[in-house]
Amino acid sequence: DAKTTQPPSMDCAEGRAANLPCNHSTISGNEYVYWYRQIHSQGPQYIIHGLKNNETNEMASLIITEDRKSSTLILPHATLRDTAVYYCIVRVPGGAQKLVFGQGTRLTINP
Amino acid sequence: DAMVIQNPRYQVTQFGKPVTLSCSQTLNHNVMYWYQQKSSQAPKLLFHYYDKDFNNEADTPDNFQSRRPNTSFCFLDIRSPGLGDAAMYLCATSRGGDRDNEQFFGPGTRLTVL
Repeated sequence: DAKTTQPPSMDCAEGRAANLPCNHSTISGNEYVYWYRQIHSQGPQYIIHGLKNNETNEMASLIITEDRKSSTLILPHATLRDTAVYYCIVRVPGGAQKLVFGQGTRLTINP
Repeated sequence: DAMVIQNPRYQVTQFGKPVTLSCSQTLNHNVMYWYQQKSSQAPKLLFHYYDKDFNNEADTPDNFQSRRPNTSFCFLDIRSPGLGDAAMYLCATSRGGDRDNEQFFGPGTRLTVL
């Protein structure tokens, strides 16, 4: 699975959009981009995933560049409850769906 | 609600005393995973079961074992816990197969070794 690079920490004001970048320059053609987050003292939670098209669900939007070497997770109206560590993971879907977590981005939403 | 349940949430054991952590799921998923997460680190996969097939990660110590007696339950056994095994242990499930299925995580069991 391809390696990802994320900033170690970010801050965002409550109510504003939080944009979390992820670099995955060695991603291969059949690898998807997944995002999970982990709120303090809880298990990780799936957010969204995509292959090459932009994706949106009730939690977030995922923007993947045309060359697929980077992506951005967007939380459109961040709340204090969005404070968490956000993990970007690239992998081939199917089979046992193993996840290899990097260090992630610690996002702090400030009032 | 369908979910992944871990018991206990907090476990204290003594150095060298065997301990078992349990995980159950109501999702009827084929795959169950165990992750170890040490303080300020990311979760690290120890092993997983795909149905009855056990798959160990190459760097998982022999001190860690797992059992899956049926679809719903999976256990993590630590035969002789050391101080370095103190961590959060996370259980997760997924449907597996060819679809790009997400993993569902339990709340974790925090293990303290005295």
